Amino acid sequence: KNQVEQSPQSLIILEGKNCTLQCNYTVSPFSNLRWYKQDTGRGPVSLTIMTFSENTKSNGRYTATLDADTKQSSLHITASQLSDSASYICVVSVRDTGRRALTFGSGTRLQVQP
Amino acid sequence: NAGVTQTPKFQVLKTGQSMTLQCAQDMNHEYMSWYRQDPGMGLRLIHYSVGAGITDQGEVPNGYNVSRSTTEDFPLRLLSAAPSQTSVYFCASSYTDVRYNSPLHFGNGTRLTVT
Repeated sequence: KNQVEQSPQSLIILEGKNCTLQCNYTVSPFSNLRWYKQDTGRGPVSLTIMTFSENTKSNGRYTATLDADTKQSSLHITASQLSDSASYICVVSVRDTGRRALTFGSGTRLQVQP
Repeated sequence: NAGVTQTPKFQVLKTGQSMTLQCAQDMNHEYMSWYRQDPGMGLRLIHYSVGAGITDQGEVPNGYNVSRSTTEDFPLRLLSAAPSQTSVYFCASSYTDVRYNSPLHFGNGTRLTVT
């Protein structure tokens, strides 16, 4: 069964600090891995999409890494801001059609405090 | 650009009532989908469509119907609401099938409570 596990479930950091969120997956056959940011009361917004051949991808202060051998990904947030407070969702896509195409993690809830 | 627009934002239904959640996108995306988000769980796919006139079931389709008469619109119908359908519903669209590297664009959700 395809699964995506995220850790930690929740995290509190001080403004200006860095943090790293983890994503482990057991999904096959792998197509790509995505990170989304979801603000409270809003829909998820895409941060990055990484294919099998990409190890690192950045989007401003967000840097995602992918190790396809160990089936792990991380999202590193640099110099956190209050606006980074949100849930971060890891999503893995398979090279398949239809209902099994995307598997969502349950997210890491990040709170940035002043 | 409006992106993906969902209406209503909030809805309360009594058990057994029916209703339609509306979803419209203005990006000319072929792929559209409906998800539900429950506490502590990842988003789960209800139904999806790869183009006008084509729909298919997702992981949790029971109790829901969809249609896709135009590229822009993808309404979700609850046939006979049950308390287990209390959830937040998200509509999402993508330029291509989600197997490929095209991001999903989500609406801001409809929060549904069934009493």
